[in-house]
Amino acid sequence: AQTVTQSQPEMSVQEAETVTLSCTYDTSESDYYLFWYKQPPSRQMILVIRQEAYKQQNATENRFSVNFQKAAKSFSLKISDSQLGDAAMYFCAYRSVFGGGGADGLTFGKGTHLIIQP
Amino acid sequence: DAMVIQNPRYQVTQFGKPVTLSCSQTLNHNVMYWYQQKSSQAPKLLFHYYDKDFNNEADTPDNFQSRRPNTSFCFLDIRSPGLGDAAMYLCATSRGRSNSPLHFGNGTRLTVT
Repeated sequence: AQTVTQSQPEMSVQEAETVTLSCTYDTSESDYYLFWYKQPPSRQMILVIRQEAYKQQNATENRFSVNFQKAAKSFSLKISDSQLGDAAMYFCAYRSVFGGGGADGLTFGKGTHLIIQP
Repeated sequence: DAMVIQNPRYQVTQFGKPVTLSCSQTLNHNVMYWYQQKSSQAPKLLFHYYDKDFNNEADTPDNFQSRRPNTSFCFLDIRSPGLGDAAMYLCATSRGRSNSPLHFGNGTRLTVT
């Protein structure tokens, strides 16, 4: 079974600064998808960014980018120019390509609580 | 806007009293999931439906059941809630392809008294 580890329960960053959230995972599969989700307080979980394991190029979405190191099984999220609206729980998640006919759910890490200091 | 809607937002039930949580979607997605999220823990997959096919996770207690009467609706039934079942319950949908992200509802926070 796959596991996802987020070793930082909480991170704090000054507004406009850059912060990196770490995520490692364990799998024996060669192909899979990795996701970062954001869950603001009392609001729904939304997708931040997605990475396909067979793609070497790191995914980017505006101020959000990832550092995907497949050999190290590491998938960190970098948030540039942090904004107050970025404050949320951030979850790293893994999804198998081969299981469940494409319907396998995500395996989540425990999350990192990101605080933005004004 | 297409979305995933969970009702109610907050649910209080008594110990042992059956409770049903509901989820609806306008995305026309094949797959609907139920996750349990306890405080400071990762969301845990309980089960999912791929169209009408039900897939239960191996460690999901028998106390938890689900129904999907049609594409749009999915229900989570807790037959005899215990204090340990108090949690946020998240419904999510996806297209049923590995690269399709999950779309989540706002969740239902269940309190057991």
